[in-house]
Amino acid sequence: QVQLVQSGAEVKMPGASVKVSCKASGYSFSNYAIHWVRQAPGQRLEWMGWIDAGNGNTKYSQKFQGRVTITRDTSASTAHMELSSLRSEDTGVFYCARALGGYNYHMDVWGKGTTVTVSS
Amino acid sequence: QSVLTQPPSVSGAPGQRVTISCTGSRSNIGAGYDVHWYQQLPGTAPKLLMYANSNRPSGVPDRFSGFKSGTSASLAISGLQAEDEADYYCQSYDSSLSASAVFGGGTKLTVL
Repeated sequence: QVQLVQSGAEVKMPGASVKVSCKASGYSFSNYAIHWVRQAPGQRLEWMGWIDAGNGNTKYSQKFQGRVTITRDTSASTAHMELSSLRSEDTGVFYCARALGGYNYHMDVWGKGTTVTVSS
Repeated sequence: QSVLTQPPSVSGAPGQRVTISCTGSRSNIGAGYDVHWYQQLPGTAPKLLMYANSNRPSGVPDRFSGFKSGTSASLAISGLQAEDEADYYCQSYDSSLSASAVFGGGTKLTVL
């Protein structure tokens, strides 16, 4: 079945970087996009950016521009999201989600989420 | 604050009908972008509930319906059940943000 399996929880110091992975299975990875969404504790969903898994094109939210980098490894059917210069406000759950593209498409399959805790 | 505005909470008794609104502007919903809805049960990842304004994915009961008009959209849930208690998010895209995806602030549905 179609699924996205994310990497495990992380604990980071302020100022560090974190890289979260999202391994796809059950479908043709390159035919879809992968979006990344953050959810701080008790807060709403925040869109971070997306990558076209076929050509590697990316688009980032203005809020995270300059701190986030999304990449993909088609040979491993895996997308990665790296967030740098971490601060306590970045603590939360990071989700990857599949979509047919980056514009006007819905996110039909979601990973279970990766908890990132930023604390000194 | 969110580009898409949702009521923070709604409630209803079992069997009743509730609606959740999602208000945008001419740069997102009003620009013709579709609205999608997600259900997030406590402690779990969001799940696609409605796509392209009024289309239900396979497995979503027909108690759920969606509607879009102008710069707003709404999600209706009829025959409310205890298991519908969750957070609901609308999502669209915004041309003023270079067609970035945007989420509403979320609505907590309480089944009384």
